[in-house]
Amino acid sequence: SQKIEQNSEALNIQEGKTATLTCNYTNYSPAYLQWYRQDPGRGPVFLLLIRENEKEKRKERLKVTFDTTLKQSLFHITASQPADSATYLCALGRGNTDKLIFGTGTRLQVFP
Amino acid sequence: DGGITQSPKYLFRKEGQNVTLSCEQNLNHDAMYWYRQDPGQGLRLIYYSQIVNDFQKGDIAEGYSVSREKKESFPLTVTSAQKNPTAFYLCASSPVGETQYFGPGTRLLVL
Repeated sequence: SQKIEQNSEALNIQEGKTATLTCNYTNYSPAYLQWYRQDPGRGPVFLLLIRENEKEKRKERLKVTFDTTLKQSLFHITASQPADSATYLCALGRGNTDKLIFGTGTRLQVFP
Repeated sequence: DGGITQSPKYLFRKEGQNVTLSCEQNLNHDAMYWYRQDPGQGLRLIYYSQIVNDFQKGDIAEGYSVSREKKESFPLTVTSAQKNPTAFYLCASSPVGETQYFGPGTRLLVL
């Protein structure tokens, strides 16, 4: 069965540094991959979508890469701020279905 | 003000009781979803609907039921058959395909 792995351990970094989160998957061929942010006790919020034929996508301080050979996506937050502290979820989808498969998320903590 | 709303924020269920969680959206999205989130686990799909009067089971549909009589509404009933209902329930909507927009969630607790 398909499996998505995100680092279950929290990532702790200092303010101003670049945070890099990883999303690996197996037994799946996604048409696109998405990243969401979730704050405690709230619903996830969409951040970025990258398609299988795209290598990289940027939005302000965020950058996502997608390597379909390695079956991996990297999510970068540059010049991180304490306000970036949250759990980040990756999700995979195919073009012929509306269902998304979510990873368990990685909690990011940015310290001043 | 467009968005997706869920109510109540907290819900308490007594043993043997059915409870219904509300989800409403005014985004004019065709598709709606219900997820369950437990600590340390990802979002698990309970039910989804791509069009009014039609819905499909997700990965963990047992003990739950839904209806989709209106485009704007997709209520979830947690039945007494669901033996471990304590969780955070999230509703989402999307234009057909891709990005999903989530509500604020309902936390269900068992008395």
